[in-house]
Amino acid sequence: DAGVTQSPTHLIKTRGQQVTLRCSPKSGHDTVSWYQQALGQGPQFIFQYYEEEERQRGNFPDRFSGHQFPNYSSELNVNALLLGDSALYLCASSLVGQGVDEQFFGPGTRLTVL
Amino acid sequence: GDSVTQMEGPVTLSEEAFLTINCTYTATGYPSLFWYVQYPGEGLQLLLKATKADDKGSNKGFEATYRKETTSFHLEKGSVQVSDSAVYFCALLYNQGGKLIFGQGTELSVKP
Repeated sequence: DAGVTQSPTHLIKTRGQQVTLRCSPKSGHDTVSWYQQALGQGPQFIFQYYEEEERQRGNFPDRFSGHQFPNYSSELNVNALLLGDSALYLCASSLVGQGVDEQFFGPGTRLTVL
Repeated sequence: GDSVTQMEGPVTLSEEAFLTINCTYTATGYPSLFWYVQYPGEGLQLLLKATKADDKGSNKGFEATYRKETTSFHLEKGSVQVSDSAVYFCALLYNQGGKLIFGQGTELSVKP
């Protein structure tokens, strides 16, 4: 049973560019959440997708957008990259509606903005 | 707003020492509480959880008790191993399937 997978593992971009990160949830899960983890900090919630719609959003600008596909996989897009967007981006999946609140995390994508 | 505060690290212990990592939270309701562990170069793994007051979560020798009166969820282990070296995050979750709110993390280093 594959867990949560993310791609790519590492990414280097320059300021002003755009980036797309991808996530495949754990088998059987229908909800994907994205978190940003700056160096030495705890993860910060970006947004959550369920049934292909954004269900909740954290305190992140509109430069951060996402999408969920019919197979429950998800993408995180960041436009007009800033140096401060350099972080580990974590994807977590869960199953809503079954009384399970545990979120399973992927290994993350390390984004470096130069 | 809701928040989680953890004791600052790094915490350095000798093998077989007793571990306590303090975690307190601020919340207006009754969240579920979690401890996650992050090994170097990896994502987060759920270590244990408690969903209501006085519940005790336990896993791999770690345990934590949900204390509503002190708004705390301290992590303890009686005898740590070198393999326990990692960063530990305390987190709260308000509603089922909702967003996790994390503390800043506490780095643990266990020396042989």
